[in-house]
Amino acid sequence: AQSVTQLDSQVPVFEEAPVELRCNYSSSVSVYLFWYVQYPNQGLQLLLKYLSGSTLVESINGFEAEFNKSQTSFHLRKPSVHISDTAEYFCAVSVFYNNNDMRFGAGTRLTVKP
Amino acid sequence: KAGVTQTPRYLIKTRGQQVTLSCSPISGHRSVSWYQQTPGQGLQFLFEYFSETQRNKGNFPGRFSGRQFSNSRSEMNVSTLELGDSALYLCASSPGTGAHYEQYFGPGTRLTVT
Repeated sequence: AQSVTQLDSQVPVFEEAPVELRCNYSSSVSVYLFWYVQYPNQGLQLLLKYLSGSTLVESINGFEAEFNKSQTSFHLRKPSVHISDTAEYFCAVSVFYNNNDMRFGAGTRLTVKP
Repeated sequence: KAGVTQTPRYLIKTRGQQVTLSCSPISGHRSVSWYQQTPGQGLQFLFEYFSETQRNKGNFPGRFSGRQFSNSRSEMNVSTLELGDSALYLCASSPGTGAHYEQYFGPGTRLTVT
């Protein structure tokens, strides 16, 4: 079965600094990869996803992630963070094209300090 | 369009009782998935319903069940509640079933079992 490991449970950074949230996956078959963000007392929102094609995917708010098959990684990066990026970030993997069974990592709490 | 709504938002039950949670998907969405989120186990897939049929089920005991109605609204039921069932229960809807469809999450129902 597929699984996801998020290597950092907490990442504190200062505003306008770059950040990388690390995600590694394990699967014996082809995968689809996702990053979700959860703000306090809210549900999850999709940030970006990799299904196929270009290994670099971008979100509308400046985040990007690169699918690296050889390293089985899908790290999330942003060159300059804002206070409003403070949230919990979840990496997720799915191996099914015909159902919605996703496996999530434990989450990384990003705290942006002024 | 209105987002995914979940009712109730908060619930307190005692051990041994049963509980029913409700999820109304975005209009036009036919797939509803349920997830359990706890500090210890993180986000875990419970089950998915598509066109009133259960498509897939996670690794949860039979006390957890669900159903979907013809208008795509879904309910999940937990019988004989245990303390460990205390969690945030998230519902997600999507237009169809499969990794290529974005899942839209509701705000969740926070269940506390005492």
